[in-house]
Amino acid sequence: NAGVTQTPKFQVLKTGQSMTLQCAQDMNHNSMYWYRQDPGMGLRLIYYSASEGTTDKGEVPNGYNVSRLNKREFSLRLESAAPSQTSVYFCASSETLFWSRAEAFFGQGTRLTVV
Amino acid sequence: EDKVVQSPLSLVVHEGDTVTLNCSYEVTNFRSLLWYKQEKKAPTFLFMLTSSGIEKKSGRLSSILDKKELFSILNITATQTGDSAVYLCAVDRVGYGGSQGNLIFGKGTKLSVKP
Repeated sequence: NAGVTQTPKFQVLKTGQSMTLQCAQDMNHNSMYWYRQDPGMGLRLIYYSASEGTTDKGEVPNGYNVSRLNKREFSLRLESAAPSQTSVYFCASSETLFWSRAEAFFGQGTRLTVV
Repeated sequence: EDKVVQSPLSLVVHEGDTVTLNCSYEVTNFRSLLWYKQEKKAPTFLFMLTSSGIEKKSGRLSSILDKKELFSILNITATQTGDSAVYLCAVDRVGYGGSQGNLIFGKGTKLSVKP
């Protein structure tokens, strides 16, 4: 009963370093999402993937890239980390983009600090 | 631009109190409203509301939607320390695409229940 698994759980980067956050779901969901959560800002959508083979920008895509590797996996890459990217990152998945049909499931989050 | 506004942003109560959390929205092509509870990590699903006036209930939690006045409330009766969390409201829209994606989150209400 893994659900949505994110790795790593914590990461500290130096400014300019790159890294990839991994996300995998085992529920055969079509849609996957990356959010960031900052104090007082709520959850903001970075990128999403409606289905395997498609990705789209969300509200705050600058400084990030994504790859929908297959139906299970959706990774988020920071090419050149900046202190403004210090945040908690959540991956989520849902059966379809229409969350009304079924609840969405969230991973446990990655706390990223850029110094 | 579509938006979801939650109030209050934070709330401190004592065990046994009853609390009401508010969520108002201005969204085109509304489909449903969802409530999530976020403790230390991943948001977990509470309710999904699509029709006005029909109360959803789960134990001490209940929620109702008013599509005419564009708001929802989440009630928690006989609060316990385990209810301490951030409660997130989100609105799902018909169709998908655009920078906000399909789902728009409010900033959350932080509830602290004191013994």
